[in-house]
Amino acid sequence: RKEVEQDPGPFNVPEGATVAFNCTYSNSASQSFFWYRQDCRKEPKLLMSVYSSGNEDGRFTAQLNRASQYISLLIRDSKLSDSATYLCVAYWGSWGKFQFGAGTQVVVTP
Amino acid sequence: NAGVTQTPKFQVLKTGQSMTLQCAQDMNHNSMYWYRQDPGMGLRLIYYSASEGTTDKGEVPNGYNVSRLNKREFSLRLESAAPSQTSVYFCASSDAGASGNTIYFGEGSWLTVV
Repeated sequence: RKEVEQDPGPFNVPEGATVAFNCTYSNSASQSFFWYRQDCRKEPKLLMSVYSSGNEDGRFTAQLNRASQYISLLIRDSKLSDSATYLCVAYWGSWGKFQFGAGTQVVVTP
Repeated sequence: NAGVTQTPKFQVLKTGQSMTLQCAQDMNHNSMYWYRQDPGMGLRLIYYSASEGTTDKGEVPNGYNVSRLNKREFSLRLESAAPSQTSVYFCASSDAGASGNTIYFGEGSWLTVV
């Protein structure tokens, strides 16, 4: 079983719509969580950190549910530029062990 | 702000050839990493260096060696390239222990072994 699992998608979303997807993690010792965005043939880039209380960054909302061991990402008012693969990341350990999900592909259509 | 810089960006190798991927970061991070990314597989950790002077194997170390030359630089060497090592390679760094603990990536190196 992978330590971080994501639905690969693709999630096909009309422009302006809302899309949400989850990521589950198996290591209960995970300390921090992040969503990264990866465009085709580019490096992953930090989208946002995920806090226990939930947090927003503009049109993006992230939630963490430690009891059920999943995190979620919601994108409101989707833009064409939101088309990308979104990577879920769990972090634990003192030296910096990051575990990446394989990514969820989002395709926003006109 | 250079961040993480890796070279070369593209390389074609013949089976059995050797090469070294270079990586440098200017963020004074302690930890550095080498990942490979293949379609449908996600990012897989090859080797990491928790701090200057230390290196350890990740999930897929076979066929690779690394050197943490100093705090800034972390190189990945393929001693005898195989077609199975055709992939995109990402170097990354993080400031383990600091708040946030985010990881930053270089732009990637596209390697084809024929």
